[in-house]
Amino acid sequence: AQSVTQPDIHITVSEGASLELRCNYSYGATPYLFWYVQSPGQGLQLLLKYFSGDTLVQGIKGFEAEFKRSQSSFNLRKPSVHWSDAAEYFCAVGADSSYKLIFGSGTRLLVRP
Amino acid sequence: EAGVVQSPRYKIIEKKQPVAFWCNPISGHNTLYWYLQNLGQGPELLIRYENEEAVDDSQLPKDRFSAERLKGVDSTLKIQPAELGDSAVYLCASSLSPDSYEQYFGPGTRLTVT
Repeated sequence: AQSVTQPDIHITVSEGASLELRCNYSYGATPYLFWYVQSPGQGLQLLLKYFSGDTLVQGIKGFEAEFKRSQSSFNLRKPSVHWSDAAEYFCAVGADSSYKLIFGSGTRLLVRP
Repeated sequence: EAGVVQSPRYKIIEKKQPVAFWCNPISGHNTLYWYLQNLGQGPELLIRYENEEAVDDSQLPKDRFSAERLKGVDSTLKIQPAELGDSAVYLCASSLSPDSYEQYFGPGTRLTVT
């Protein structure tokens, strides 16, 4: 069965510092991979997605993610974090014919001024 | 373009009472999803609709949960009777088609069962 692991429950970074959020997935074939962001009291917003092709994908708000098949990873990165990036980030995998998204448990990002 | 609309945003009920959540998807989106999000967890799919047909309800606890999408547009999720463990956020999402995987989420309904 497909699964997604986000090993970091919380991450704190200083404003202006770089960010990397980890995501590992379990799936036999090439999965569809996603990163969503959820601000308090809000629904999830799609940041970026990977279906195929270039393994480095660009998203909204200056985020990017890199698909590494050998490591079963899809880590999210941002070169310079803004205070408004503080939120919960979810990695998800979409696989097989069920069209179901399997979400990780999320990483809460805190941004220090 | 209006996003996915959900109501109510918050609901507090006593256990054993019924509760219903409403969702209006983005116009033109044929696929509608209901997710359950427990505190500190990612969303988990409860049910997926293609137009008015429930095509995946394998994770819906059918003894107390029900859902409908009568005209293939808005949808209602019901719990009867509610239990303490049902306290969670119920998210609705929609997409143009399921194979796009691009799901747009509403703000959710936070349910508290006392």
